[in-house]
Amino acid sequence: GQQVMQIPQYQHVQEGEDFTTYCNSSTTLSNIQWYKQRPGGHPVFLIQLVKSGEVKKQKRLTFQFGEAKKNSSLHITATQTTDVGTYFCAGQGNQGGKLIFGQGTELSVKP
Amino acid sequence: DGGITQSPKYLFRKEGQNVTLSCEQNLNHDAMYWYRQDPGQGLRLIYYSQIVNDFQKGDIAEGYSVSREKKESFPLTVTSAQKNPTAFYLCASSIGTGGVTGELFFGEGSRLTVL
Repeated sequence: GQQVMQIPQYQHVQEGEDFTTYCNSSTTLSNIQWYKQRPGGHPVFLIQLVKSGEVKKQKRLTFQFGEAKKNSSLHITATQTTDVGTYFCAGQGNQGGKLIFGQGTELSVKP
Repeated sequence: DGGITQSPKYLFRKEGQNVTLSCEQNLNHDAMYWYRQDPGQGLRLIYYSQIVNDFQKGDIAEGYSVSREKKESFPLTVTSAQKNPTAFYLCASSIGTGGVTGELFFGEGSRLTVL
């Protein structure tokens, strides 16, 4: 069945450093979504990517969807302590169906 | 305010007992979902419903049951058959049931601990 792998599982950075998390699917995706979960909180939607090669930016966050629609990345420039949390990708297969979540990347930022 | 309400926030249960987690939404969403979250394992889908009076098993449905008698409500029962029920349970909803799943709106979660 469809699998979505996300790396790394943990990332510790100094405030001001950049951060990237990667998501890879075993099958071609119709779309991919990204969520952020603050410690003790619930996942909150960040963005959805649909087109091959799509790049979207939200302030310091840059999201990419691979040309083959099998991988995606989230890059944060100049991390801040407010970026702390776990970032999840979630992919949906070409035939529709369920969203499959990656394992998440837990980001900690040292001031 | 529009959103998803889960209750209770914390729940303790003895082994062998069934418990029901409540999920109510006032977003007028057709689709609703239950996920289980364990440390380091992301979110795993238990059950989902795309329309009233219909629901489908997710990836880890064994030991769980649901109902969808009203559009707004999608309660989850954790039965005594669930071997390892201690976890964080998240309910979510989304608009429509077409080919592309839209943004998921999550509740604040219910943390179940089996003693």
